Amino acid sequence: AQSVTQLGSHVSVSEGALVLLRCNYSSSVPPYLFWYVQYPNQGLQLLLKYTSAATLVKGINGFEAEFKKSETSFHLTKPSAHMSDAAEYFCAVSSMDSSYKLIFGSGTRLLVRP
Amino acid sequence: DTEVTQTPKHLVMGMTNKKSLKCEQHMGHRAMYWYKQKAKKPPELMFVYSYEKLSINESVPSRFSPECPNSSLLNLHLHALQPEDSALYLCASSPILQGSYGELFFGEGSRLTVL
Repeated sequence: AQSVTQLGSHVSVSEGALVLLRCNYSSSVPPYLFWYVQYPNQGLQLLLKYTSAATLVKGINGFEAEFKKSETSFHLTKPSAHMSDAAEYFCAVSSMDSSYKLIFGSGTRLLVRP
Repeated sequence: DTEVTQTPKHLVMGMTNKKSLKCEQHMGHRAMYWYKQKAKKPPELMFVYSYEKLSINESVPSRFSPECPNSSLLNLHLHALQPEDSALYLCASSPILQGSYGELFFGEGSRLTVL
């Protein structure tokens, strides 16, 4: 069985500060990992994905994530937060074992202080 | 702009009403999904259609009835809903059921309120 754990239901940063959203996964087979963002009253938008190519993945809006197998982690980072980054962020995992069904984490709300 | 279009954006219905949510995509995707999302929670999978056939039903109550008339359209028919069914209903699509390793393209959702 697969699972995803997002540490911290809320993360607050100042504008211009580093953003770090944590995601740890559990999977008995090679996982595929995703970060989705959801702005208020909208659907989910893919930020980036890891599909067994490069371990450092760059996404949209300046976000990136690094796959670390030894730590079973896929943390999301952005060097400098912008007010427009305020949103809900979901980490998700899939694999061949689950027929590529997405398993979502519980989400982390990012708050950006001016 | 999202390439998965959902209508209506907002819907208020009574427990005895019958209504439908609609979803359309023109990306040529052959897998389409319905998710339910309660406030401050992740999306929960409800149904998956692959090549217009129902592939997955996550034990959803029969008051929710999905329909896939063609490869571009997905409907969710609602009947005799309960107030606890109030939620954001998200439609998503993917190239094929097991394509793109699970990457989905989401619409903006239909916010349903059951009175």
